[in-house]
Amino acid sequence: KQEVTQIPAALSVPEGENLVLNCSFTDSAIYNLQWFRQDPGKGLTSLLLIQSSQREQTSGRLNASLDKSSGRSTLYIAASQPGDSATYLCAFASGSARQLTFGSGTQLTVLP
Amino acid sequence: DGGITQSPKYLFRKEGQNVTLSCEQNLNHDAMYWYRQDPGQGLRLIYYSQIVNDFQKGDIAEGYSVSREKKESFPLTVTSAQKNPTAFYLCASSMSPGANVLTFGAGSRLTVL
Repeated sequence: KQEVTQIPAALSVPEGENLVLNCSFTDSAIYNLQWFRQDPGKGLTSLLLIQSSQREQTSGRLNASLDKSSGRSTLYIAASQPGDSATYLCAFASGSARQLTFGSGTQLTVLP
Repeated sequence: DGGITQSPKYLFRKEGQNVTLSCEQNLNHDAMYWYRQDPGQGLRLIYYSQIVNDFQKGDIAEGYSVSREKKESFPLTVTSAQKNPTAFYLCASSMSPGANVLTFGAGSRLTVL
């Protein structure tokens, strides 16, 4: 069964710092990988989706990369802001949405 | 604006009671999903429905039941058979059963007293 691991579980950085969140998966037969943001007590908001044929996707200050050979994806956040504080989850898709496997998330705190 | 509405946001239940969580979408999406989220864990799939009047068990369906009588609605009942129901419940939808881009509701937090 696919496993998705996110390390670290929590991260605290000062405002303005560039940071990287990590996501690793065990099955290289990936369809796509998504990064989500979750604010406390809220639902998930999709940030970036990387298809298996792609190596990275960018949206504003966010850049997500995918390395299938090593089973890793990273989410890079440039010039972090306090408003970036949230939990970031990655989800591995081996097919349709019913086959999504979620990581447990990294809780990010950006200190002003 | 199109989206998913979950209600109630907070729900308290006594042991032995069944409770129903509501999920309504106006996105005209065919597929709908229920997930459970526990602290420090990823989302786990409870049930999903690809089309009206059809639904399938996910990874942790025991103690839960669903119905899909209308395209817009996918309510989840947490029964007394669910041994540890205290959790955050998330409803999601996708445009088609084969799509894997999900839109999520804001969630419902269930606490068993």
